[in-house]
Amino acid sequence: DAGVTQSPTHLIKTRGQHVTLRCSPISGHKSVSWYQQVLGQGPQFIFQYYEKEERGRGNFPDRFSARQFPNYSSELNVNALLLGDSALYLCASSSGGRGNTIYFGEGSWLTVV
Amino acid sequence: KNEVEQSPQNLTAQEGEFITINCSYSVGISALHWLQQHPGGGIVSLFMLSSGKKKHGRLIATINIQEKHSSLHITASHPRDSAVYICAVTMYSGGGADGLTFGKGTHLIIQP
Repeated sequence: DAGVTQSPTHLIKTRGQHVTLRCSPISGHKSVSWYQQVLGQGPQFIFQYYEKEERGRGNFPDRFSARQFPNYSSELNVNALLLGDSALYLCASSSGGRGNTIYFGEGSWLTVV
Repeated sequence: KNEVEQSPQNLTAQEGEFITINCSYSVGISALHWLQQHPGGGIVSLFMLSSGKKKHGRLIATINIQEKHSSLHITASHPRDSAVYICAVTMYSGGGADGLTFGKGTHLIIQP
């Protein structure tokens, strides 16, 4: 079975641009979470979606948005990119509910120049 | 103060040594996760704990809910164990996000 897949794996954007990152969860998983990991730091929670509804949001500005589709795949959108948005963006999926094992994708490396 | 604190931040040891990484948290949790991250970014879940102790191969994870503390042990360490080990918790919020709160990670290097 395929694991959590993310695309693109690497991308470079210019300040002020918009970016869309995509995530396909493990088959059967209904929960998708997004995390931002700045170089040298631990990941920070951005969003969680379960059954197409937002379950939680971390401390990120409104420039960050996400959605989950009927097939449980998800998109993370970031508008008006800043240099500080340069990071590894990680997607994780689980079957949902607290205490379930969480599976991570390989991440999307975003560089803003 | 971070809600999840790990120690040590960096650890270098010789092959074969017994390794211990500690994690303390200050909030109510429903689960604690130990994760491994190799250079390049991918994160692998090693353990998910809500009580007691779990063992997988040379890895052992324990949690003390009353003391809000967990440890990850590696026995007979090997250079391939070199990675960043991250402690993360799922907070018990009574409804809402299941997002993880992460420690800053422990950078482990095992020298041959």
